[in-house]
Amino acid sequence: EVQVVESGGGLVQPGGSLRLSCAVSGFTLNSYYMSWARQAPGKGLEWVANINEDGSVKWYGDSVKGRFTISRDNAENSMALQMNSLRAEDTAVYYCAREVGPRGQNVFDIWGQGTMVTVSS
Amino acid sequence: IVLTQSPATLSLSPGERATLSCRASQSLSNYLGWYQQKPGQAPRLLIYAASNRATGIPARFSGSGSGTDFTLTITSLEPEDSAVYYCQHRGTFGQGTKLEIK
Repeated sequence: EVQVVESGGGLVQPGGSLRLSCAVSGFTLNSYYMSWARQAPGKGLEWVANINEDGSVKWYGDSVKGRFTISRDNAENSMALQMNSLRAEDTAVYYCAREVGPRGQNVFDIWGQGTMVTVSS
Repeated sequence: IVLTQSPATLSLSPGERATLSCRASQSLSNYLGWYQQKPGQAPRLLIYAASNRATGIPARFSGSGSGTDFTLTITSLEPEDSAVYYCQHRGTFGQGTKLEIK
């Protein structure tokens, strides 16, 4: 079965750090771009970051640029999101998602169930 | 690019037809996806490239449009279609349309 499973969420104080992980199975990770997206409580979807097949190209949303770092380990079938300098507005469910389609036409066809990150003192 | 969805909320009865709109601030050609999200669940891809159904999506769901104006149509509504629907282009999502089946 094709699936992605997030882990690593939790409660963290403002200014703190957290590392999220995404474990994939059922497909060859090194053939796909991968993304992180998030959803604040009661709000819509926001794309956070993505990474190309071999990890050499990374893109970030403006709201997390300079604070978050995306990475992947194809040999371990995993992806990660290192989140530093966390703010209250980073509170959200974080989703790992697989991208498909040509660049510029990409969509997210496989999503995990998400992991909750709460930034609060 | 900004994606604007309308209406914000749509309330219809079972068996009716739903028409959801997504308007882009600049031309997207046909590079648009649609997603369904039910409460407490992850989003699910419905449509890619504006009009192509994703794997396992019923034929009741159809997408159309190009350029700046796109439509998701759901025919013969069922109670299980109650959800929030999002359009997406690259790293941008619309704000969503909440569909209620009363």
